Amino acid sequence: AQSVTQLGSHVSVSEGALVLLRCNYSSSVPPYLFWYVQYPNQGLQLLLKYTSAATLVKGINGFEAEFKKSETSFHLTKPSAHMSDAAEYFCAVSLSGGYQKVTFGTGTKLQVIP
Amino acid sequence: DAGVTQSPTHLIKTRGQQVTLRCSPKSGHDTVSWYQQALGQGPQFIFQYYEEEERQRGNFPDRFSGHQFPNYSSELNVNALLLGDSALYLCASSLLEGYTFGSGTRLTVV
Repeated sequence: AQSVTQLGSHVSVSEGALVLLRCNYSSSVPPYLFWYVQYPNQGLQLLLKYTSAATLVKGINGFEAEFKKSETSFHLTKPSAHMSDAAEYFCAVSLSGGYQKVTFGTGTKLQVIP
Repeated sequence: DAGVTQSPTHLIKTRGQQVTLRCSPKSGHDTVSWYQQALGQGPQFIFQYYEEEERQRGNFPDRFSGHQFPNYSSELNVNALLLGDSALYLCASSLLEGYTFGSGTRLTVV
């Protein structure tokens, strides 16, 4: 069985500051890892995914995440926060790409302060 | 290229009633998965359909059932609605790697 734990249900950063959202995973086999973003009353948009290629994954909107097997972590970062980044972010894990269920974390709501 | 389309966008039902939600997958995708997202929670996997068969199922009661049609579109049916079924229901389609999510159907049970 696989699971993810997101540390911090709410994170506040100032506009222009570093964004760091934390995610730790548990999986019995090498996992596929994802970060999704959800804006209010909308579905989920894929930010980036790790599929056992490069450990540093670059995504859309300037986000990136680093897979660290020794720490079982997949933290999401962005060097400079924009007001438009305010949303809820979900870390997720799967045993494969699209053919297995995806298990989501409980989410981290990002607030960007002007 | 249309993404994943879900209908209706909002729905209000009375406890005990039945509801059907619909999903059209992204063009070229053959697998459809359904998720329930309660307020303030992450999405929970309900089930996945491939080649018109339920391939995987999450921890949901039999009141939740589904169907996939030859054109890959899908329906989610929920019988005997409970207040706790109020949630955003998300459909996701996939082919090989990664899901594309629809915007969801907001179901309110009163």
